[in-house]
Amino acid sequence: GESVGLHLPTLSVQEGDNSIINCAYSNSASDYFIWYKQESGKGPQFIIDIRSNMDKRQGQRVTVLLNKTVKHLSLQIAATQPGDSAVYFCAENINSGYSTLTFGKGTMLLVSP
Amino acid sequence: DVKVTQSSRYLVKRTGEKVFLECVQDMDHENMFWYRQDPGLGLRLIYFSYDVKMKEKGDIPEGYSVSREKKERFSLILESASTNQTSMYLCASQNDRGNSPLHFGNGTRLTVT
Repeated sequence: GESVGLHLPTLSVQEGDNSIINCAYSNSASDYFIWYKQESGKGPQFIIDIRSNMDKRQGQRVTVLLNKTVKHLSLQIAATQPGDSAVYFCAENINSGYSTLTFGKGTMLLVSP
Repeated sequence: DVKVTQSSRYLVKRTGEKVFLECVQDMDHENMFWYRQDPGLGLRLIYFSYDVKMKEKGDIPEGYSVSREKKERFSLILESASTNQTSMYLCASQNDRGNSPLHFGNGTRLTVT
């Protein structure tokens, strides 16, 4: 498999548990945030996004929480499944002109049956 | 669904060779990006483009160039490949500036010997 998961913090959970993956972002001016999932041998896949005028956004089995006071973003996955095993990373954007996304290093989620 | 296609999954090239990595997207997106991904370093932006024939340097442009002759195609060029360019290369597209997610291809694993 690919080596993207090396050197990453790892979260190990049992199937059916809820998972919480955290991300500290760097820039207080960032106003748009994204969570990506990357499975072994594949490119990053968009999961969910949130703008800075929101504190919480829900998708299918996933919830993103944004705490601007402490510059913290979290991804909650409900009823985690083995297929959720992957590297998850956040990205932030300062929406000014030609700004681009800045990506976090990622967290590896391992789900045991 | 957006589809971003990278022409090769695996490439092996010799030091000093000129290398072309090709990327095509099918959603008429204005913005396209090239990243490299290395263990412990995460995703690093090489070059990006917001329009045909337009290019902007990212964080690590040295040793690379790009070409965007058509809206759907963005090529990454290694003029003279070196061993430190061994990496996973990821192409992405985006439909506007900074407030929508990037959509990634599945990557090209380049090995320079």
